[in-house]
Amino acid sequence: GAGVSQSPSNKVTEKGKDVELRCDPISGHTALYWYRQSLGQGLEFLIYFQGNSAPDKSGLPSDRFSAERTGGSVSTLTIQRTQQEDSAVYLCASSSSRGHYGYTFGSGTRLTVV
Amino acid sequence: GENVEQHPSTLSVQEGDSAVIKCTYSDSASNYFPWYKQELGKRPQLIIDIRSNVGEKKDQRIAVTLNKTAKHFSLHITETQPEDSAVYFCGHSGGGADGLTFGKGTHLIIQP
Repeated sequence: GAGVSQSPSNKVTEKGKDVELRCDPISGHTALYWYRQSLGQGLEFLIYFQGNSAPDKSGLPSDRFSAERTGGSVSTLTIQRTQQEDSAVYLCASSSSRGHYGYTFGSGTRLTVV
Repeated sequence: GENVEQHPSTLSVQEGDSAVIKCTYSDSASNYFPWYKQELGKRPQLIIDIRSNVGEKKDQRIAVTLNKTAKHFSLHITETQPEDSAVYFCGHSGGGADGLTFGKGTHLIIQP
């Protein structure tokens, strides 16, 4: 596609429910990243996929967070048993390089846990 | 990844004046330094980047300077305009496993 596409754009969920966030990277981009942006805060790294290699999960804040990337393209970030502190904008980015150059970000999913 | 300190957190300048935002990092292996602009409610967008073999790069009214010895890099915006108002994030990477590490952002306000 023309850009990085994320869905849904907004998600309101009840505390304790599971949510799935989707990212469709730019076609041909081998690298895919998830970041979290809390209100007024910076960009917190969550996870990184490079092609079909095992992902770097070093940024995931707890074992309630997981992500997968099918066929080296679309990625899904899953948050189980959501908590209010999970409320944030979840941004996905993709890149054509292995050196983390020239990220293109999606518009994000705004998650609100009530 | 290694942390990066970004200052100031908020910067207010008069329209037409220059703005400078500075970031300091600690990882000597860092070799790529981008700057992103995020307007309210929108996605971060890459505005300029520099690699470690270059000391300065300019694109119209914006420039980035890098001092590898002192481990800091700065964004310079000249002749500021209202549309420059946004949050600016610096990033850096050594090409390691965990992608770009970002500063906490600078909210730039252009006063008319």
